[in-house]
Amino acid sequence: LAKTTQPISMDSYEGQEVNITCSHNNIATNDYITWYQQFPSQGPRFIIQGYKTKVTNEVASLFIPADRKSSTLSLPRVSLSDTAVYYCLVVRTGANNLFFGTGTRLTVIP
Amino acid sequence: KAGVTQTPRYLIKTRGQQVTLSCSPISGHRSVSWYQQTPGQGLQFLFEYFSETQRNKGNFPGRFSGRQFSNSRSEMNVSTLELGDSALYLCASSLYGQGGTTQGEQYFGPGTRLTVT
Repeated sequence: LAKTTQPISMDSYEGQEVNITCSHNNIATNDYITWYQQFPSQGPRFIIQGYKTKVTNEVASLFIPADRKSSTLSLPRVSLSDTAVYYCLVVRTGANNLFFGTGTRLTVIP
Repeated sequence: KAGVTQTPRYLIKTRGQQVTLSCSPISGHRSVSWYQQTPGQGLQFLFEYFSETQRNKGNFPGRFSGRQFSNSRSEMNVSTLELGDSALYLCASSLYGQGGTTQGEQYFGPGTRLTVT
C-alpha cells in the first residue's frame, strides 16, 4: 500500500483557510484517498474521501491532481475547534483495514 | 442512531494478566475493526471482523485475538499482558462490504484506555 507523507505540524490563525498537502507517490489505480480528524482522547473521525479531481462536503474540500501522487485537504475559515491531528490515508479498494501515518497536528491560534 | 460504544473506558491491569475489551458497532454495521494507538507507534490496525469472520489481520502477536458475535458486537482479548500493551484501543464499525457505501469510512468509538503496570 502507498506510503503517505504529510507535514508533522501546522499553525494557522482563526478564520483563515488551511491547506494540508499529502504525498502518496506509489498510489495504485484502485486506491482511494481518505482523510480523518482526531481530537485528543477521541477516536478519529472521517472527513472526506476522493479518487480524483475535487470533492467537497460541508466540512472540507479535497483536491487531487491528475497524477494522483498527492492530495490537498482544504479547511475553509478554521476555528479554534479545528485544532486536531489530520491523517491522510490511502485505502485499497475492497479493503477495510486502515493504515494511519503520523498525521499533521494543526493548531489554530486566536 | 447511537454511535460506536466501547466498554470499559478505562482499565488498569497487571503484567501477565489478560484483558477483554468490548465493542458495540452502529446498528446495521457488520464490519468491526480494532486499532491500537500509542504515542510511539501511532494508530495501528489490529484486525477486522465481518459477519463473524476475521477478514483482515495486522502485524500483532498471537496474544492479541478477537471475535465477533452474530449481533455484530465484537470483543478483543489480550493475554499475558506486557507493559508495552498500554495503549488506547479503538474500535471502528463500517458499512463497507455491504454494498453501496463509501469505503474507508469508518466510525470510531471513544476507545478503551488500558494501562498495564
